[in-house]
Order: sequence, then C-alpha cells, then structure tokens
Amino acid sequence: GAGVSQSPRYKVAKRGQDVALRCDPISGHVSLFWYQQALGQGPEFLTYFQNEAQLDKSGLPSDRFFAERPEGSVSTLKIQRTQQEDSAVYLCASTLSDRGDEAFFGQGTRLTVV
Amino acid sequence: LAKTTQPISMDSYEGQEVNITCSHNNIATNDYITWYQQFPSQGPRFIIQGYKTKVTNEVASLFIPADRKSSTLSLPRVSLSDTAVYYCLVGATDNYGQNFVFGPGTRLSVLP
Repeated sequence: GAGVSQSPRYKVAKRGQDVALRCDPISGHVSLFWYQQALGQGPEFLTYFQNEAQLDKSGLPSDRFFAERPEGSVSTLKIQRTQQEDSAVYLCASTLSDRGDEAFFGQGTRLTVV
Repeated sequence: LAKTTQPISMDSYEGQEVNITCSHNNIATNDYITWYQQFPSQGPRFIIQGYKTKVTNEVASLFIPADRKSSTLSLPRVSLSDTAVYYCLVGATDNYGQNFVFGPGTRLSVLP
C-alpha cells in the first residue's frame, strides 16, 4: 500500500485480556515508531525500531507492553493483561532512513478497555 | 532532550496568515525543528523541517532566528480545512528515539 497501515482500527478489550496491534509500514522504510495518544494529548513515544532491532523502548509504560518487528517490516505491539488506563489511540510511524527525515503515520488503532 | 513550549490554542479567520511560535530554549547544536499537523481521528502529518534561517514549501514557511531558541510556523491564507492541532518537535538525527517527542501542540481553529 501507499501509506502506513494499522489494524484493527478499533479494538474493545475486557480488562485482563491480551491484545495485539499490527503495523504495516511503508515498504522499504528502515525506521518504525510506536506512540500512545490519550484523548486531547499529544502522542507519547513508546518504542523505536531500526530494521528488526529495537533500539529504544524507554517509553513502554510497563512490562505488560511488548513490541517486535522480527523481519524488519511488519511490527506488532502486544499489551498483556490490559488495564483501563491502556485505553488510547496507538499510532505507528515509519521513516525511510534512520536520519531524522519525514515520518509517515498510520491512522492508529483506538483501544478501549472495559 | 529539548523541551518545547507552544500556545495551547489559537483562533483565526479564513484568508488570514497564521503564525504559531514554539519556544525551545535548550535546543542542542545537532537538533532539527520539525512541525506536524494532526486532524481528528488521523495520525500526524509532516509539514516542514528546518535547522536555521527560513525554510519554505508549498504548505508553510518556517522561520528560525539565529539563536534557534524559538521557531515560527507560518501558514499563509488559512482555510477552514487548516483547523487542526500543530506540533513542534526538536531532536537530533543521531538520537533517534528522542527525535520524535511530541508536546501537547497548538489547537488552531479557523473560523469562517
């Protein structure tokens, strides 16, 4: 596809359930980012991949959050034992290189934990 | 990590020029300044990036004074469709995880 694709667009999970959010970056893009955006707030950095290597995971809020990009393309953000405070939009972005160029964002996955 | 400060909100009218200023007093030598735009229910979209002086593209201009402690995004002749949140980011290309740290942004409302 032409842009960054995220699925599902919407996810409702019961508290305690595990969820997996998928990101398909633009083909050939080296860098991939995950963000969490609460209502009315700016996106908060979660983690960064350069190809398959996770170079920065300092933004992951707890050990319930796990991200992977095993083949350097598609990435999955997994949240275990979801809590109500995990309710947010999860955004994925990719960039062509690792040199601070323009980031392309997906439309996000809106997670609601009930 | 350079922290940015922007106005929380601004109002404008169609056809006016809008200038949004961002303060980044502790910007580092290698840091670039990047602006993104976000509409409701969409991911942010790149607008413009610069290091110093002035950068212009088909959408906006970015003015950066010599001390680089602030920057101004200028949107010429705004329309209703420019109503969005605008984010100013600073970060170095060699400090990648920190390069995309968003603040709360400026909520621009364009009125008819």
